[in-house]
Amino acid sequence: RKEVEQDPGPFNVPEGATVAFNCTYSNSASQSFFWYRQDCRKEPKLLMSVYSSGNEDGRFTAQLNRASQYISLLIRDSKLSDSATYLCVVNRKAAGNKLTFGGGTRVLVKP
Amino acid sequence: NAGVTQTPKFQVLKTGQSMTLQCAQDMNHNSMYWYRQDPGMGLRLIYYSASEGTTDKGEVPNGYNVSRLNKREFSLRLESAAPSQTSVYFCASSNQGDRETDTQYFGPGTRLTVL
Repeated sequence: RKEVEQDPGPFNVPEGATVAFNCTYSNSASQSFFWYRQDCRKEPKLLMSVYSSGNEDGRFTAQLNRASQYISLLIRDSKLSDSATYLCVVNRKAAGNKLTFGGGTRVLVKP
Repeated sequence: NAGVTQTPKFQVLKTGQSMTLQCAQDMNHNSMYWYRQDPGMGLRLIYYSASEGTTDKGEVPNGYNVSRLNKREFSLRLESAAPSQTSVYFCASSNQGDRETDTQYFGPGTRLTVL
């Protein structure tokens, strides 16, 4: 079983709609959680960290459910520019500052 | 402030050839990493360097070697390239520490094809 699993998608989303997707992680010792964004043929970039209490950054909301070992990302009022692959990332401090990446969820926002 | 730079951007090798991928960061970060990304696989850690003078294996180190030349530079060497090493290679850096500083910053990647 992969340590971090994501639905690869694609999620086809009408412009202006809301889309949400989850990521599950298998190691309960995971301590830090992130969403990275990767545009086609580009490098990954940090979108947002995910905190236990949940956090929001503009149109993006991230949630962490430790009991069920998943994190989620919700995008409201989707823009064409939100089309990208979203990478779920976990970090176990005990293993050093090494990130484990999910395979990514592809989101396509269409007019 | 260029962030993380990588050279070359593209490379085609024949099986058995060797090459070194170069990476440099100007953010004064302690830690540096090499990943490979294959379709549907996500990024997998090849080697990392927690600080200058140290290197450690990641998830997929076989067929690779690394050198942390100084705090700025971290190179990845393929001694005898194989078709299975065809991939996109990303270098990253971070300041190991608390949540606010353990973000990893990635270079633009090297697209390597081994024939």
